[in-house]
Amino acid sequence: GQNIDQPTEMTATEGAIVQINCTYQTSGFNGLFWYQQHAGEAPTFLSYNVLDGLEEKGRFSSFLSRSKGYSYLLLKELQMKDSASYLCAGMDSNYQLIWGAGTKLIIKP
Amino acid sequence: TAGITQAPTSQILAAGRSMTLRCTQDMRHNAMYWYRQDLGLGLRLIHYSNTAGTTGKGEVPDGYSVSRANTDDFPLTLASAVPSQTSVYFCASSEGTSGGHNEQFFGPGTRLTVL
Repeated sequence: GQNIDQPTEMTATEGAIVQINCTYQTSGFNGLFWYQQHAGEAPTFLSYNVLDGLEEKGRFSSFLSRSKGYSYLLLKELQMKDSASYLCAGMDSNYQLIWGAGTKLIIKP
Repeated sequence: TAGITQAPTSQILAAGRSMTLRCTQDMRHNAMYWYRQDLGLGLRLIHYSNTAGTTGKGEVPDGYSVSRANTDDFPLTLASAVPSQTSVYFCASSEGTSGGHNEQFFGPGTRLTVL
């Protein structure tokens, strides 16, 4: 079956670094997406990885290991506005996204 | 550019009634999707359309129907609502389904309560 696993909730301190892990099992693989979703709002795209390695975009980076079925999202210099849910999604052979339940990130001052 | 719009923003519906959730995009995207999002669960795909004139069933299609008469619009209909359809519904679109970075753009959502 297809499955995406990520922690339910994480807490971090403003200014610190946090890593949100995601493991995936999909029927075929056409990439791994990370989205951010603030409470009561729509998901917005953060990153896409299809090859192994690290993709850096400002304070946010995303890593993929296809052999391990593993990805992580790294957030640096945390700000209060980073408090949100972070959704991991794998794209299967039919180009459909399989979504994790999301990781709620709480930032404390 | 508006991107994707959904209507209504929220709705309370009596069980057994029908309702259509509207979704319109102005990005000329080929593919469109309907998801529901429930607490503790990931986004679940209800129906999708890879191009105008075609539709397909997602993970949880029962009780829902869709149509794709043109590129821009993708309405979702609940023929006879039940309380288990209480959820937040998101419409999304993407350029296409084959190859490359197929980012999905989401509408603001419709919060539906079925009593």
